[in-house]
Amino acid sequence: RKEVEQDPGPFNVPEGATVAFNCTYSNSASQSFFWYRQDCRKEPKLLMSVYSSGNEDGRFTAQLNRASQYISLLIRDSKLSDSATYLCVVNPRAAGGFKTIFGAGTRLFVKA
Amino acid sequence: DVKVTQSSRYLVKRTGEKVFLECVQDMDHENMFWYRQDPGLGLRLIYFSYDVKMKEKGDIPEGYSVSREKKERFSLILESASTNQTSMYLCASSLADRGYSYNSPLHFGNGTRLTVT
Repeated sequence: RKEVEQDPGPFNVPEGATVAFNCTYSNSASQSFFWYRQDCRKEPKLLMSVYSSGNEDGRFTAQLNRASQYISLLIRDSKLSDSATYLCVVNPRAAGGFKTIFGAGTRLFVKA
Repeated sequence: DVKVTQSSRYLVKRTGEKVFLECVQDMDHENMFWYRQDPGLGLRLIYFSYDVKMKEKGDIPEGYSVSREKKERFSLILESASTNQTSMYLCASSLADRGYSYNSPLHFGNGTRLTVT
């Protein structure tokens, strides 16, 4: 089982739709969580951190469920410019240091 | 704003050549990383460094080495390039928070697309 799993998609949605991605992680000692966005042939860029209480940034909402070991990303009122790959990132506490684990990403296509 | 700069956007090298990929960050970050990204495999960690002259192996260090002589610069070295090292290489940096960096997000350079023929 992969340490971080995401549905690869692709998700094809019309403009204005609401779309949700889930990401599951296997290490219950995971400490911090992020969503990154990666455009085609570009580097990943931080979209938002995911806090235990959940957090919202405009049209984007991130949630963490520690009991079930998953995080989610909700995008409301999708725009064409939201088309990208969304990467889930988990940082478990590791003895002697840290470890950042990336999911393989979920592809989103928003169509007019 | 954090800036992570990779020296080359595209590189074409021949099998057996020694290849140097350079990465510089300007935000005084303690931690630096090298990843490669391949279709279907996602991002895989090659090496990371949490201090000058310190290095740790990631998940796929074979065929690679690194150098961190200065805090702002982290170099990835392919000792003898092979065709299976054709990939997108991404450098990243992050801030160490009281010795633990697991709360700090990574900031990526714009990548080096390496082709080994």
